[in-house]
Amino acid sequence: ETGVTQTPRHLVMGMTNKKSLKCEQHLGHNAMYWYKQSAKKPLELMFVYNFKEQTENNSVPSRFSPECPNSSHLFLHLHTLQPEDSALYLCASSQVPGPNEKLFFGSGTQLSVL
Amino acid sequence: AQSVAQPEDQVNVAEGNPLTVKCTYSVSGNPYLFWYVQYPNRGLQFLLKYITGDNLVKGSYGFEAEFNKSQTSFHLKKPSALVSDSALYFCAVLVGYSSASKIIFGSGTRLSIRP
Repeated sequence: ETGVTQTPRHLVMGMTNKKSLKCEQHLGHNAMYWYKQSAKKPLELMFVYNFKEQTENNSVPSRFSPECPNSSHLFLHLHTLQPEDSALYLCASSQVPGPNEKLFFGSGTQLSVL
Repeated sequence: AQSVAQPEDQVNVAEGNPLTVKCTYSVSGNPYLFWYVQYPNRGLQFLLKYITGDNLVKGSYGFEAEFNKSQTSFHLKKPSALVSDSALYFCAVLVGYSSASKIIFGSGTRLSIRP
């Protein structure tokens, strides 16, 4: 158990649906991240939140909308997704960004877009 | 562009033999380098990091990594492989500064240890 919990573990949605991914960390960390993992591709950093403020949006399409209401919770709201958005979405947290940061990952949400 | 590359999609090693998983990097300035491991149906777990100092870094589960500045490499090694080491391994580098820094990952190398 890493201290980072993601729900749901699996999600199947149609292209017109709206759904949300949830991440919660119990480590007292101040930075939270969304990564997208697709087969045989580098892990893609999507968003970074540092003390609840978004500090990175890596050119992510607007159909992905993050929300960080506090340092312990991170959401990824999904709407009108495309089949190519099917992937494993990983949440991570760290104490603060920087050279000594160590990322703690959740187990991910496996998303399938039909 | 700042990046890491893992040239091998898959590495196969017999149990008890030494293993190497390769990583090269391209960054401006001093590199901060990491290795993470992903077991099936799990998120990534931190293995080790290089910030400064000794070129040989020791990490979890008997793994170590050698930083080579002239070859811009940070290969992961273990003297004697175990079947339980079979997993997906990611090399990563820190880019940016202070609160704007972020970790970017390679594409991963699947390590398969046969009994």
